[in-house]
Amino acid sequence: DGGITQSPKYLFRKEGQNVTLSCEQNLNHDAMYWYRQDPGQGLRLIYYSQIVNDFQKGDIAEGYSVSREKKESFPLTVTSAQKNPTAFYLCASSIGENQPQHFGDGTRLSIL
Amino acid sequence: RKEVEQDPGPFNVPEGATVAFNCTYSNSASQSFFWYRQDCRKEPKLLMSVYSSGNEDGRFTAQLNRASQYISLLIRDSKLSDSATYLCVVADTPLVFGKGTRLSVIA
Repeated sequence: DGGITQSPKYLFRKEGQNVTLSCEQNLNHDAMYWYRQDPGQGLRLIYYSQIVNDFQKGDIAEGYSVSREKKESFPLTVTSAQKNPTAFYLCASSIGENQPQHFGDGTRLSIL
Repeated sequence: RKEVEQDPGPFNVPEGATVAFNCTYSNSASQSFFWYRQDCRKEPKLLMSVYSSGNEDGRFTAQLNRASQYISLLIRDSKLSDSATYLCVVADTPLVFGKGTRLSVIA
């Protein structure tokens, strides 16, 4: 079955630690996205990539980094510079930039 | 960035009721529109695309009013399982998500 896989489902970070969230898709989609969602709030765009080896900052990129070395993969690193990382992180992909996005089932990140 | 505005709700309706959500958008050049559904602590899922002529999928009807820059979602004969947050989405580059309208269908 085609789809988007995010791992891990739950992740705990210590103060001052970088952590990387995985996102893999086998839908052959060109575009991939990372969102953050806080409780009771909407989605906020962190980074997106429309093609391999290229990505753009979204609305809240500070404290995060990404790479897009392969079409299938778009990992997100939450760096120690992100002072309030506790949130629900969602990865999505789409065939093209104005097409519907398909989401993974998310990673919940918490601070220890 | 372009804006998408939704009434956050919550809309509390009895089973069997008809409920409608509106969403306004700021970019008059936008061409594609979608409605997503998000259950509590889950990922958003595509409910339907919105076509210029309006479209219907079972109990759900989506309509677009370009002149007034709003889209709507109508749910007829509400079920308990319709309880969720409904996200309005406008296709700019990239997609712009509204913050959602929460619906609770009550027995």
